[in-house]
Amino acid sequence: DAGVIQSPRHEVTEMGQEVTLRCKPISGHNSLFWYRQTMMRGLELLIYFNNNVPIDDSGMPEDRFSAKMPNASFSTLKIQPSEPRDSAVYFCASSFKQGAGSPLHFGNGTRLTVT
Amino acid sequence: GNSVTQMEGPVTLSEEAFLTINCTYTATGYPSLFWYVQYPGEGLQLLLKATKADDKGSNKGFEATYRKETTSFHLEKGSVQVSDSAVYFCALTHYGNNRLAFGKGNQVVVIP
Repeated sequence: DAGVIQSPRHEVTEMGQEVTLRCKPISGHNSLFWYRQTMMRGLELLIYFNNNVPIDDSGMPEDRFSAKMPNASFSTLKIQPSEPRDSAVYFCASSFKQGAGSPLHFGNGTRLTVT
Repeated sequence: GNSVTQMEGPVTLSEEAFLTINCTYTATGYPSLFWYVQYPGEGLQLLLKATKADDKGSNKGFEATYRKETTSFHLEKGSVQVSDSAVYFCALTHYGNNRLAFGKGNQVVVIP
């Protein structure tokens, strides 16, 4: 299995531009998570989906952030317009929800720099 | 709500030294407990887990025991190697809810 695949690995953009991050979860997994990691705040859960349906988006910082999961094999996280404070590493993770102890499998992240 | 607390600050130690990273949790009921490891430039990887009280998770020489009486899940390794240098995260989930609550992580640096 190829694991969770994220693209791009690095993204550098100017303030005000739209940014789209992509994620392909592990085949057969039915839960998908988007996290943001910074030195100041550590790991923050932004949103998660079960069976392609958003369950909790309370971690999405502002209306500038949106996430979609149109099918079981693809998700996007969009920032529009981007700001320098959005600079972080964004991780996608997936799991098979089956009661206690289901581990998350993380992608290698997208490092976003907004100048 | 559910939360995880890890000891403050990075950990620097010499090769072959004993490693302990403390983790305590707050949760109702019986959460599942995890340790994840993040190597430079990579995502988090599951290191070990325990799903009920007194369970011991182990992997790659690391161990952690689920202690309900002290609400702890401390990570230990008897003899660390330079390749163990990474950031270690403690986390928990509840039955029927695979959303993870993470601690802030501990940077471990092993010096040759």
